[in-house]
Amino acid sequence: IVLTQTPLSLSVTPGQPASISCKSSQSLVSGDGKTYVHWYLQRPGQSPQILIYELSTRFSGVPDRFSGGGSGTDFTLKISRVEAEDVGIYHCMQTLNLPRTFGQGTKVEIK
Amino acid sequence: EVQLAESGGGLVQPGGSLRLSCAASKFSFSSHWMSWVRQAPGKGLEWVGNIKGDGSETYYGESVKGRFTVSRDNAENSLYLQMNSLRAEDTAIYYCARDLGIFDIWGQGTMVTVSS
Repeated sequence: IVLTQTPLSLSVTPGQPASISCKSSQSLVSGDGKTYVHWYLQRPGQSPQILIYELSTRFSGVPDRFSGGGSGTDFTLKISRVEAEDVGIYHCMQTLNLPRTFGQGTKVEIK
Repeated sequence: EVQLAESGGGLVQPGGSLRLSCAASKFSFSSHWMSWVRQAPGKGLEWVGNIKGDGSETYYGESVKGRFTVSRDNAENSLYLQMNSLRAEDTAIYYCARDLGIFDIWGQGTMVTVSS
């Protein structure tokens, strides 16, 4: 399964919203009704950390300014009001099928 | 604190071998699938492979199948990645991660450079 993220880079003014798209080459909806797309943030010089799993569930401790949505093959990560600590690379990932695959990553920087 | 710590990275010649280790602490290691994920310089993330908690099942990405082997020692709370027939394109930071279907815990990564 190929995941295509757009844009590949994004420059955002603090306090403004941001949106990242992730398109899949096939549906990520499983027979159990769940959608197996997840989002990670990799801050500069750090390991990735999980933000959103199964389309729209925020991981423990993730601020509610982050939200995930979409359906079928088109997914979106939204940040309602970007803060300085949100700088980094955002990765989508699918776990519907093996091998697990990631998008190319979207680099977010602050204006 | 729940933690993963990789070691064993370094410089290796093309065609050579290297074994990475990942030490787990403060969680029930044997109960969990574990994965290796890599990131080439300036590139995105690539899943390498994973192993079931009891070691009975392993799965691999296409680019490493037949060359890399994931194993574990639950008595030592350790995960391993044996890498053979290394190529320049295997140059990357290698992360181990707890695999719940999502990767909720990551190590800090260890750098592997394949170059003559």
